[in-house]
Amino acid sequence: GQQLNQSPQSMFIQEGEDVSMNCTSSSIFNTWLWYKQDPGEGPVLLIALYKAGELTSNGRLTAQFGITRKDSFLNISASIPSDVGIYFCAGGLNDMRFGAGTRLTVKP
Amino acid sequence: DTGVSQDPRHKITKRGQNVTFRCDPISEHNRLYWYRQTLGQGPEFLTYFQNEAQLEKSRLLSDRFSAERPKGSFSTLEIQRTEQGDSAMYLCASSFGDYNTGELFFGEGSRLTVL
Repeated sequence: GQQLNQSPQSMFIQEGEDVSMNCTSSSIFNTWLWYKQDPGEGPVLLIALYKAGELTSNGRLTAQFGITRKDSFLNISASIPSDVGIYFCAGGLNDMRFGAGTRLTVKP
Repeated sequence: DTGVSQDPRHKITKRGQNVTFRCDPISEHNRLYWYRQTLGQGPEFLTYFQNEAQLEKSRLLSDRFSAERPKGSFSTLEIQRTEQGDSAMYLCASSFGDYNTGELFFGEGSRLTVL
């Protein structure tokens, strides 16, 4: 089963709004990553974090590796319709585990 | 297309039949992973290869499952005597390096339906 707790499970937002989702683990991780999956596709890497406290941006996306090394968050600013999809956190030490995903719906 | 490719994309089979999936990773990638994804869940790790060596297998990988990567390039995942619980999307991913950075390139998946 999944070892990561990802929340929220789903979000319904208006275009232009900001989005925040997070992921927690019961154990310390060396790596946190965020992926996005579109219907019928495999996940695509958005951001990778390798250092506690690290804050990394990729366009409108910003992610942080928590200081405790047990959590991470992903923010999406000024959402657009193509942000629709399922966002997964992933993390681990030597192997990567995935959260159950946050399903994002953006209403135009 | 130089991405990870998987074949077939969809497979419908009857319970008890054997199925085989193929994955062609990105050509210069030495690490290849298999994951399983069920509806509403994230990918679950099954196994991975570094070159032709299978270095780790999840407890999810029962003895009905076998994976190979004979020449360190493409890989196959075979499921024998399929059960309805095997219905899922089987994802292949590849990466390059001596250790797992988590930066995986996924294929589009092979969706299995067991009737």
